[in-house]
Amino acid sequence: EAGVAQSPRYKIIEKRQSVAFWCNPISGHATLYWYQQILGQGPKLLIQFQNNGVVDDSQLPKDRFSAERLKGVDSTLKIQPAKLEDSAVYLCASSSRLVGETQYFGPGTRLLVL
Amino acid sequence: AQRVTQPEKLLSVFKGAPVELKCNYSYSGSPELFWYVQYSRQRLQLLLRHISRESIKGFTADLNKGETSFHLKKPFAQEEDSAMYYCALRSGSQGNLIFGKGTKLSVKP
Repeated sequence: EAGVAQSPRYKIIEKRQSVAFWCNPISGHATLYWYQQILGQGPKLLIQFQNNGVVDDSQLPKDRFSAERLKGVDSTLKIQPAKLEDSAVYLCASSSRLVGETQYFGPGTRLLVL
Repeated sequence: AQRVTQPEKLLSVFKGAPVELKCNYSYSGSPELFWYVQYSRQRLQLLLRHISRESIKGFTADLNKGETSFHLKKPFAQEEDSAMYYCALRSGSQGNLIFGKGTKLSVKP
């Protein structure tokens, strides 16, 4: 079984530029999560999708962050414009439809904003 | 407020010594607690969850509701246990995880 895929693995941009991250969950997993992990911190949930609907985006900075999951499979997370404090690892995770199922994490995208 | 606290940023032990990684939580309700591990250059992965009451790679963790703790223990540490360990709390019925800041375990030969 292939794991959660993410790209790119690394990205360096200047502040005020825009950036997009892509995630492909495990096949058949209905739930998809995006986390932000700042250096020295644990992952923090940004947004959760159930199929192509948003379940929780309460911690997503909506003035600059957006995410979509068209067709209920792949997802993209965008930052526009980026700020220095957005430097972090962005993790995607997925889980099956069942509540309480294990979340499987991707390798993450490491973003550096200069 | 829901919160997970891991008081130690770094824990260093010698091979064969017992190890205990501390985790305390704050949650109003019936908590579901997890330990996740990230080995060097690998993905974050589930180590164990309290409802399973199982031992994984020799690690166990008991939920103590009175002390609001979920400490991770292993009687004899191995060098391959060196990794980042994160305690996490499931928030609500939707599966959201709240993570602690993590503890880096270093097992010396």
